[in-house]
Amino acid sequence: ETGVTQTPRHLVMGMTNKKSLKCEQHLGHNAMYWYKQSAKKPLELMFVYNFKEQTENNSVPSRFSPECPNSSHLFLHLHTLQPEDSALYLCASSHSQGARENQPQHFGDGTRLSIL
Amino acid sequence: TQLLEQSPQFLSIQEGENLTVYCNSSSVFSSLQWYRQEPGEGPVLLVTVVTGGEVKKLKRLTFQFGDARKDSSLHITAAQTGDTGLYLCAGAFCFAARQLTFGSGTQLTVLP
Repeated sequence: ETGVTQTPRHLVMGMTNKKSLKCEQHLGHNAMYWYKQSAKKPLELMFVYNFKEQTENNSVPSRFSPECPNSSHLFLHLHTLQPEDSALYLCASSHSQGARENQPQHFGDGTRLSIL
Repeated sequence: TQLLEQSPQFLSIQEGENLTVYCNSSSVFSSLQWYRQEPGEGPVLLVTVVTGGEVKKLKRLTFQFGDARKDSSLHITAAQTGDTGLYLCAGAFCFAARQLTFGSGTQLTVLP
């Protein structure tokens, strides 16, 4: 139990479907992150939210749309995805960064997404 | 592009053996973290190193941060089957940065 819960754990969808991934953290953190993990590639940071405000968007295609209604919840809305979007999508949370430290990130177990 | 290179990419050893995995960059890190990821789970933080030359020990795991803060190593003594997993290093290139750059990982398999 990491304190970060992701649902669903597995998702299979067609290229024309619309679905959403959900992340919830119970750690009192105020920064949340979406990562994409593909086979044999480094984790790719997609979005960062700090105190519910999006602070990073690493050139992610618009078919991925994040939403952060509060500091404990983060969504990733998916629409018209491509086969190359099949991957493990990981959510993480942390305390907002301090002046001299990089706060550790606590990860959920991910959603395994397969695009048909 | 700021890259973190991890080596080896794959490592398979017998239980009881020692091993070292490496994380290297041409850039200086403000800090570096090591994570372990097991199948079907997200990465779990093992350690954070901040000071050049720093050595941290976590039971049989020894983490070292290079003097120039460009590289790091993880040494495991007397590996156990429970050490099997994907070991990821992640660096931050400035203090207070929220963005971590991850290496592609070392997949370690410890055989009984």
